[in-house]
Amino acid sequence: GESVGLHLPTLSVQEGDNSIINCAYSNSASDYFIWYKQESGKGPQFIIDIRSNMDKRQGQRVTVLLNKTVKHLSLQIAATQPGDSAVYFCAEIETGGGNKLTFGTGTQLKVEL
Amino acid sequence: NAGVTQTPKFQVLKTGQSMTLQCAQDMNHEYMSWYRQDPGMGLRLIHYSVGAGITDQGEVPNGYNVSRSTTEDFPLRLLSAAPSQTSVYFCASSYAGDSNQPQHFGDGTRLSIL
Repeated sequence: GESVGLHLPTLSVQEGDNSIINCAYSNSASDYFIWYKQESGKGPQFIIDIRSNMDKRQGQRVTVLLNKTVKHLSLQIAATQPGDSAVYFCAEIETGGGNKLTFGTGTQLKVEL
Repeated sequence: NAGVTQTPKFQVLKTGQSMTLQCAQDMNHEYMSWYRQDPGMGLRLIHYSVGAGITDQGEVPNGYNVSRSTTEDFPLRLLSAAPSQTSVYFCASSYAGDSNQPQHFGDGTRLSIL
């Protein structure tokens, strides 16, 4: 995705609701995608990944959907909790690109009580 | 199991000074990398290494040097600090190879250049 400068897109949800965070990628050669969660003052933390031969993968309270046709990735968080408040980044790896990650700009998730 | 450890956590430098940011991992990961994160932006790759003795440039390598003499350590050197290098620096590691493994990140070094 393109840089949005100093202001991250923000998603505000009520505690207990489901959250959907979206990510558009531009490299059609990318074949591995990862969602990271970054809390204030911490490094990115792995949440879930998906390979390009899949269109859906589920974890504990999280689901990642991949639409290769429109180059779109989404992260769904069920029953959002205050501890889910963080910045969420999608990242991609190009086929043959080794382990080199390309990050999106991130989305700030705010959970309101 | 400490994971990825970065030191120092905070550092203030004057323009022109040099310093080394340390990164160590205890997971026997072949792949290690350095990123910088600027306000409101995602992480950008500075340098990476696929194993001891092998390093390569990422997206924003200018002004930084790296070396990989051991599997565990991957220090990042700023040769002559500039205000544009004020940022948060993250080190990451993972297994290398075609299977694609998620990278594990340290908690960062917050660097200010005056």
